[in-house]
Order: sequence, then C-alpha cells, then structure tokens
Amino acid sequence: NAGVTQTPKFQVLKTGQSMTLQCAQDMNHEYMSWYRQDPGMGLRLIHYSVGAGITDQGEVPNGYNVSRSTTEDFPLRLLSAAPSQTSVYFCASSGDYYNEQFFGPGTRLTVL
Amino acid sequence: SQQGEEDPQALSIQEGENATMNCSYKTSINNLQWYRQNSGRGLVHLILIRSNEREKHSGRLRVTLDTSKKSSSLLITASRAADTASYFCAPKTRVNYGGSQGNLIFGKGTKLSVKP
Repeated sequence: NAGVTQTPKFQVLKTGQSMTLQCAQDMNHEYMSWYRQDPGMGLRLIHYSVGAGITDQGEVPNGYNVSRSTTEDFPLRLLSAAPSQTSVYFCASSGDYYNEQFFGPGTRLTVL
Repeated sequence: SQQGEEDPQALSIQEGENATMNCSYKTSINNLQWYRQNSGRGLVHLILIRSNEREKHSGRLRVTLDTSKKSSSLLITASRAADTASYFCAPKTRVNYGGSQGNLIFGKGTKLSVKP
C-alpha cells in the first residue's frame, strides 16, 4: 500500500491564481482531512470528509473548497491564492472515527 | 475546544536521558492519541490510549492518562538523537460531541531536541 499520497510536493503561485492540491489514499478509509501548518501555529483543520459525497468545514475553511466524489480522493482547491495561504498542507485519512490518522508527506505552497 | 495543549513548548536533553511531555485538554474524550513529526515530514501516529486505560507502553514510550485531571503524559526513555522531533497530543471526543466530527484537532506540540 502507498498509504496517503499528496501531489505536488512543492508549488509556487502568484496572488490570484487557483490550483488544486491532490490527496489520495489506498486504504479504503472513510475519513479524510486537510490541515495546514504554519510556523509556531501547529496544525489547523481546513476541511474534512466522513465519506464520499460528505464534506464539512474545519477551523480555517475560508479560501478553500473540497469535494469527495470517491472514497480514495480528497482534493483541496484554492480559489484565488493569497500570500496568507503560504503554508505546508497535510492530508490525512482514518478508517474509523476513533482510530489513528495516517498523514501524507505534505505539500509546501508559497504564494507570492 | 477539542484541542490538546502540550507542555513544555520546547525541551532539550542529552542522549540517554528520559523526556517527559505533558498534554492537557478540556473535553470528555473517547481516547487520546500521540503523534510525532520529524522536521518537514507528515505526522506519524505513536500511540493511542483509551479513556478507560491509565497507562500504556510501546517500546521506549510510556503514556499515562488521567481523565479526572484531563491530562496525559508521554515519556520517552533512554532518548536517542533520532527522537528529535515535535510531539503532538490529540484528544478524541466522543461522536456527536460539539463540532468537527471525524477528525483530530492538534495543538502546537512540544519540540524535543536530543543532543548526542
């Protein structure tokens, strides 16, 4: 199993551009989440999904969209990139509400 | 808040010494999980302790949980340079408690530095 994969690893955007961060898992997990991590801030939850077709907002959802059309994939869309969205983004999945989360390697995004 | 708060924020020790990190939380939990993050990497799950457990061991890791005080501690014995990382606790609330179901809320972590 590849676990949780994220692409791209690095990305540089200009203010106002849009892009999609990809996340996929091959463990048939129902629960998937997106976090962002800024220096000294820990991880903050952006959006999460409890199954295909079901998504909800986390702590910092503004400026981001998600969809979950399949169990495997949970893409994160930046609608109009801003410098404040410069961060490292992590995707995670879990097979059960109470179980451990498996994290992807992260995408380092810089918005100029 | 479902978030755990780790203490201290930073800890520096010598190789071979023990490292203790603490976590406090405010909600009623089903379990509490500890994660490690090496610099620039994703988080890795270390150990999960359920609300009806008081202590759990995994290799050189020992986790305790005191639900009456809403606190947990992570002890790493005989630390190694490779243990240098940030450590996060994540309390897991019961289903339908407050918002944000199906995910974990993380604090800022404890940054552990183990010097050779």
